[in-house]
Amino acid sequence: DAGVIQSPRHEVTEMGQEVTLRCKPISGHNSLFWYRQTMMRGLELLIYFNNNVPIDDSGMPEDRFSAKMPNASFSTLKIQPSEPRDSAVYFCASSPPDSYSNQPQHFGDGTRLSIL
Amino acid sequence: QQPVQSPQAVILREGEDAVINCSSSKALYSVHWYRQKHGEAPIFLMILLKGGEQKGHDKISASFNEKKQQSSLYLTASQLSYSGTYFCGTQDRGSTLGRLYFGRGTQLTVWP
Repeated sequence: DAGVIQSPRHEVTEMGQEVTLRCKPISGHNSLFWYRQTMMRGLELLIYFNNNVPIDDSGMPEDRFSAKMPNASFSTLKIQPSEPRDSAVYFCASSPPDSYSNQPQHFGDGTRLSIL
Repeated sequence: QQPVQSPQAVILREGEDAVINCSSSKALYSVHWYRQKHGEAPIFLMILLKGGEQKGHDKISASFNEKKQQSSLYLTASQLSYSGTYFCGTQDRGSTLGRLYFGRGTQLTVWP
C-alpha cells in the first residue's frame, strides 16, 4: 500500500517567494496533519483536518501560512511570502477513522525547505 | 503542554537495556511513541490509552502511569537497528482531540 506522499522532497527558494507543499494521505484515512520540524523547536503541529475540515489551526505561525484540503486525497500548505526562518522539514501525516486519539499517525517522507 | 523527555541522549552497546521517560504537566488521555532515523520520517511504535496500560512488541515495550502523567519506553537487549531518535507524543485531557504535543526527543545510539 502506498504511504503518505509528499512533494516536493526538497525545495530551495529565495526569500519572498511563494512556496507550496503538497500531500496525498493514505487512502481511507480521514485525518490529516501538517507538522514542522526544526532543531530549535522540535516537531510542532501546524494544523490538522478531519474529513477535509480544519479542526485546529492554532499552530499555524502567522498569516503567511495557509493550508487547504479541497478533497479527501489532497492537501496543500502554502507560505507566502517565505522567510529564512521558515526553513525546516515539513511533514504531513494521516490517520484512519476512529476517535482521533486511538489511531497511529502515518508520516510522509517530509519536504526539506530552505529559504535563502 | 510539550512533554519533557529524559534523557536527551543515550549511548548503548548491543544487548544493553535502556529506558526513556516522558513526563507531562497536564492530565493525559493518551501517549504515542515514535522512532525517527536521521533524514527519515517518524515511524509509529505504539499508543497507550489507559492508565497503567503496558504494551510491547518484540523487545520494545512501554507503560503509562496516568496518575503521574508519565510514560516510559523500555528497550531490552538493544539491537543496532534501535538507533534513532525516540519521541513521545501526548494528548492532553481537555485539549482538542487528535492534537499531539511531541517531546524534544531522545537520541539513542547503539554500538556493536
